[in-house]
This record gives sequence, structure tokens and C-alpha cells, in this order.
Amino acid sequence: AQSVTQLDSQVPVFEEAPVELRCNYSSSVSVYLFWYVQYPNQGLQLLLKYLSGSTLVKGINGFEAEFNKSQTSFHLRKPSVHISDTAEYFCALDTGRRALTFGSGTRLQVQP
Amino acid sequence: DTEVTQTPKHLVMGMTNKKSLKCEQHMGHRAMYWYKQKAKKPPELMFVYSYEKLSINESVPSRFSPECPNSSLLNLHLHALQPEDSALYLCASSPGPQETQYFGPGTRLLVL
Repeated sequence: AQSVTQLDSQVPVFEEAPVELRCNYSSSVSVYLFWYVQYPNQGLQLLLKYLSGSTLVKGINGFEAEFNKSQTSFHLRKPSVHISDTAEYFCALDTGRRALTFGSGTRLQVQP
Repeated sequence: DTEVTQTPKHLVMGMTNKKSLKCEQHMGHRAMYWYKQKAKKPPELMFVYSYEKLSINESVPSRFSPECPNSSLLNLHLHALQPEDSALYLCASSPGPQETQYFGPGTRLLVL
């Protein structure tokens, strides 16, 4: 069975500071990895994805993530956050079963 | 058209009511999904349709009945729901199985 762990339920950060949201996964087979963002009362928007190839993936809104197979991690980073980045962030994996398994989510709270 | 639409946005129903949720996409995607998201929790997969055929049913109670009339449309028929079924119901689609999923804004359901 596969699983996704997001250790930090909340991450407070000041505006223009860098941020890292952590994601670790467990799977006995190859995985595809995703980060989605959910703004209040909205659906999920895809930030970025890792399918294969380069382990550093760049996404929308200045976010990037690095796939580390040896550490089974896919941490999300942004060098300088904005107030508008305040949202819930979900890491998810797909083992090719056509079903996404989500982590529990990390609430990013950007403070002025 | 590059989005997934869901109607209605909000729905309040009694436990004896019958209602339906509707999801539509015109991106030519051949896989469609229903997820249930409780407050402050990640989305949980309910059903997957691939090429208009039900391919995954995650042991969902029979009071939820999915239907895929054509490749663009996905319905979720609701009957005799319980208050604990109150949640945000998200629809997603992908070009094919094992490809990136794109989410709609969701229907927020309240069962009284």
C-alpha cells in the first residue's frame, strides 16, 4: 500500500520569506507525485507534478519541488511568499492505479 | 474550454430527498473522478470512470450512485443520505488513466 505524509499541519511564515512544505511518501512501486493548492471554499489547483526525468520540477506561482528517491521525499519550496499564497497545500501520489492518494495537507499562513 | 464545472455550488437536502450532482468537462478527457472532502481533511477517492466505464469504486455506500452518460458528463445521484455525508464533493478529469487530474470547484453538500 502507498501513503503520503505531510508532517507539518500548519506553517506560519512572514511575507517575502522563503518557505518549504515537507512531503514524504511510501510506496513499493514507482510513483508519480503532485502538489495541489486549495484556496478557501474552492477546488484543488495543480501546482506542479513529477512524472519522470529531471528531479527538480518548477510549477506555477513561483513554486518548485525536488524529487528525492533515496529519501522518498518531494518537498515544495518558494523563495519569497506573498499574502496571496495563504492556502491549504496537498501532496499526492499516483502509483498508476489512476487514483490519487493525498497527504493530510499543510496550511500555509503568510503574515504581513 | 480548459476547466471542469460542477453544479450546483451548494446543496442542502433532507435525509429522504433524492438529488444529483453534475460535473462537466469539454477538454476531451477520458477519465473522470468523484472525491469526497470533509472539513480540514484531504480529498478521498469515491469513484473512477475510464472511457465511460466504472473502473474503481472505493467501497462507497449504495446511497451514492455514479453515472457517466457520455465522455463529457459525470453525475452523482444521492438518495437517503445521512448527516455525516455532508462534505465538499469534488469532481476531476484527466486526459486518460494515469495522467494529471484537473479538479472542479466542488459542490458543498449539507444533509439535514
